[in-house]
Amino acid sequence: QSVLTQPPSTSGTPGQRVTISCSGSSSNIGGNYVYWYQHLPGTAPNLLIHTNNQRPSGVPDRFSGSKSGTSASLAISGLRSEDEGDYYCATWDDSLRGHVFGTGTQVTVL
Amino acid sequence: EVQLVESGGGLVRPGGSLRLSCVVSGFTFSSNDMHWVRQRPGKGLEWVSGVSTVGDTYYADSVRGRFTISRENAKSSLYLQMNSLRGEDTAVYYCTGGMSGWVYWGQGTLVTVSS
Repeated sequence: QSVLTQPPSTSGTPGQRVTISCSGSSSNIGGNYVYWYQHLPGTAPNLLIHTNNQRPSGVPDRFSGSKSGTSASLAISGLRSEDEGDYYCATWDDSLRGHVFGTGTQVTVL
Repeated sequence: EVQLVESGGGLVRPGGSLRLSCVVSGFTFSSNDMHWVRQRPGKGLEWVSGVSTVGDTYYADSVRGRFTISRENAKSSLYLQMNSLRGEDTAVYYCTGGMSGWVYWGQGTLVTVSS
């Protein structure tokens, strides 16, 4: 299992705001940047957030990231049906000397 | 247009070997750290290995000693030599890279380890 813990699932209706948490430790989130990836069925993963809270060009501002201490969060506002999929946090772990992904959160749009 | 095209996947018996390749175009390969990420059936994303622009290599504990990552900048290519394969290595393997986060991804190549 991963050293980064996410809730297995979350859901919302179109237009709602959902948040996904990512809990780690001082050896990973606490001392390194956090990234968020979206993985939709049948596609390659897509970078949503880099450097804790920065959006790559082309990513809608409905997606926002934050970090505090050893935890991070991804918020999706104005939820849309095309947002259904899996979301992963990721960072470097100083103890493992490697990158780690979170356990993943499945987002369902009701 | 950025393209990362993986190849080399397939069916292999436990204990066997495979070499994955990823050919990159559309961005400056030599300026980017590159990585392999996999997704086992029904599971989440798992970082497997990475190689820096200067050739430093990193491995997940689950593959260290069995897998070897390498790059050939002249050919804009990334490789993953996988030896002593196990059933739990069955997965879709993605090639990925980028300077601020992994913004570039291939479509993945399926590796199935089964007798």
